[in-house]
Amino acid sequence: SQKIEQNSEALNIQEGKTATLTCNYTNYSPAYLQWYRQDPGRGPVFLLLIRENEKEKRKERLKVTFDTTLKQSLFHITASQPADSATYLCALERGSQGNLIFGKGTKLSVKP
Amino acid sequence: DAGVIQSPRHEVTEMGQEVTLRCKPISGHDYLFWYRQTMMRGLELLIYFNNNVPIDDSGMPEDRFSAKMPNASFSTLKIQPSEPRDSAVYFCASSPADGSYEQYFGPGTRLTVT
Repeated sequence: SQKIEQNSEALNIQEGKTATLTCNYTNYSPAYLQWYRQDPGRGPVFLLLIRENEKEKRKERLKVTFDTTLKQSLFHITASQPADSATYLCALERGSQGNLIFGKGTKLSVKP
Repeated sequence: DAGVIQSPRHEVTEMGQEVTLRCKPISGHDYLFWYRQTMMRGLELLIYFNNNVPIDDSGMPEDRFSAKMPNASFSTLKIQPSEPRDSAVYFCASSPADGSYEQYFGPGTRLTVT
């Protein structure tokens, strides 16, 4: 069965640095992969989608890469700010509209 | 639009009782999803609907769980009878059929079964 892993449960970085979060998957070749942000006590919020034929996607300070050979996605936040502190979830599609499998998330803390 | 609306926000019940969670998706969205989130298992898809029709319920843990979508603006997730291991945060999400695959989540219902 498909398996998705986010390598770090928690990541602490200093304000202004680049945060890099990793998502690895096995036993599947997803057509796309998504990243969500979740704040405590709230539902996840969609950030970015990257398709299998895209190597990289950017949105403001966010950048996502997708390596289908390594079966890995990297999520970068440049010039990080304390307001970026949250849990970030990656999700990969598994065969039909919106049928997603989520990783357990990486909790990012950005210290001033 | 107010976003996805869920009720109640918190539910505390005793083992054996019936629990009904409610969801109103964003108007115009064709897909509706029910998820459960726990520390141990993370966010898991339970069931999803397309145009009010259940498409995949393979994530529903057992027969105690059932979900309905009687119309495009309302869905319920029912647990009967409830057990302590059902304690979790239950999220509803909706998605448009525009190829974006973006899911909009509600605020969740925190269920505690004692």
